[in-house]
Amino acid sequence: DAGVTQSPTHLIKTRGQQVTLRCSPKSGHDTVSWYQQALGQGPQFIFQYYEEEERQRGNFPDRFSGHQFPNYSSELNVNALLLGDSALYLCASSFADSYEQYFGPGTRLTVT
Amino acid sequence: ELKVEQNPLFLSMQEGKNYTIYCNYSTTSDRLYWYRQDPGKSLESLFVLLSNGAVKQEGRLMASLDTKARLSTLHITAAVHDLSATYFCAVSFPQGGGADGLTFGKGTHLIIQP
Repeated sequence: DAGVTQSPTHLIKTRGQQVTLRCSPKSGHDTVSWYQQALGQGPQFIFQYYEEEERQRGNFPDRFSGHQFPNYSSELNVNALLLGDSALYLCASSFADSYEQYFGPGTRLTVT
Repeated sequence: ELKVEQNPLFLSMQEGKNYTIYCNYSTTSDRLYWYRQDPGKSLESLFVLLSNGAVKQEGRLMASLDTKARLSTLHITAAVHDLSATYFCAVSFPQGGGADGLTFGKGTHLIIQP
């Protein structure tokens, strides 16, 4: 049983560019949450998708957007990249009626 | 705004010793999570505490929750080097069931020396 998978593992972008990160949830899970973890900090909640809609959102600007597909996989898009967007981006999946969240390996984004 | 505070943020201890990590949170919640993170890795779930007075143990780690005091503790018994990692606590606001967005503490960086 595959766990949560994310792609790519590493990414280097330039300021002002746009980036798309991808997440496939654990088998049977229908809810995907995204987190940003800056170096040396705890993860910060970006948003959560359920039934292809944004269900919850943290304190992130509109430059951060997402999407969930019918197969429950999800994308995180970040526009107009800033140096401060450099971080590890974590995806977590869960089942709607369960409190457990399982994290993927993350995508390391570097903005230069 | 929900705030989660952990202390200490850095802990260096010797093998065989006992210690406790504390996690305070600012607003009522009945779900408290503990995660472990190794350098360069993702988060590994350790415990989920769902009610006041909940206590869970796995190996040398034991977690407890006091919702009235808004406090959780992670106790390490007879530490071994393999427990060296960063430990995070996190709290969620349930919104009618299911997993919700988590607010994390800054983490406790634990080093266990021989």
